[in-house]
Amino acid sequence: NAGVTQTPKFQVLKTGQSMTLQCAQDMNHNSMYWYRQDPGMGLRLIYYSASEGTTDKGEVPNGYNVSRLNKREFSLRLESAAPSQTSVYFCASRPRGGALKAFFGQGTRLTVV
Amino acid sequence: GQQLNQSPQSMFIQEGEDVSMNCTSSSIFNTWLWYKQEPGEGPVLLIALYKAGELTSNGRLTAQFGITRKDSFLNISASIPSDVGIYFCAGHNYGGSQGNLIFGKGTKLSVKP
Repeated sequence: NAGVTQTPKFQVLKTGQSMTLQCAQDMNHNSMYWYRQDPGMGLRLIYYSASEGTTDKGEVPNGYNVSRLNKREFSLRLESAAPSQTSVYFCASRPRGGALKAFFGQGTRLTVV
Repeated sequence: GQQLNQSPQSMFIQEGEDVSMNCTSSSIFNTWLWYKQEPGEGPVLLIALYKAGELTSNGRLTAQFGITRKDSFLNISASIPSDVGIYFCAGHNYGGSQGNLIFGKGTKLSVKP
């Protein structure tokens, strides 16, 4: 039972490079999320997808794009990385309905130099 | 937007001591969740609370959903070294923006053997 799987676990990018962070969940959850975590800032929502085929902006969407490829997969793309995007990125998923319990992946530690 | 104030920011305690931390908000929440994050890992759900006044335990952890629905508390009894980590509260409001979970900034717990 893998839960939420993120790849890669670590990445170093040069300013201006692009990359896609991958996330997949095997729990048949409807909603998926991308958060970034910075020291002293807690978890801030970048984008989310309430269900397959829909995506919406969160608190800090600038500089990112997302794709909900299917029910299992939700990817986060940085088109032109900036040092301010150095962070730890977490993907999460949760089922529809009253449970509201979000399950997190192990994170992607991204450094932009 | 909605914000959660989590306190204290950090705690340094002796093994065996009890720990208390809390989250407060100016907004009402329908659900409170408590997560623990260990170094290099994603947050893991500890306790979920769904009703005002609810008191729920998970081993040595006890959490309460405040009567006003604007706060929640987490207590850890008889702390041990493996309790080390960052504890996050998260609130959810059905009337809030698109089902987002709002996270506090975390309480970093250090336990001295």
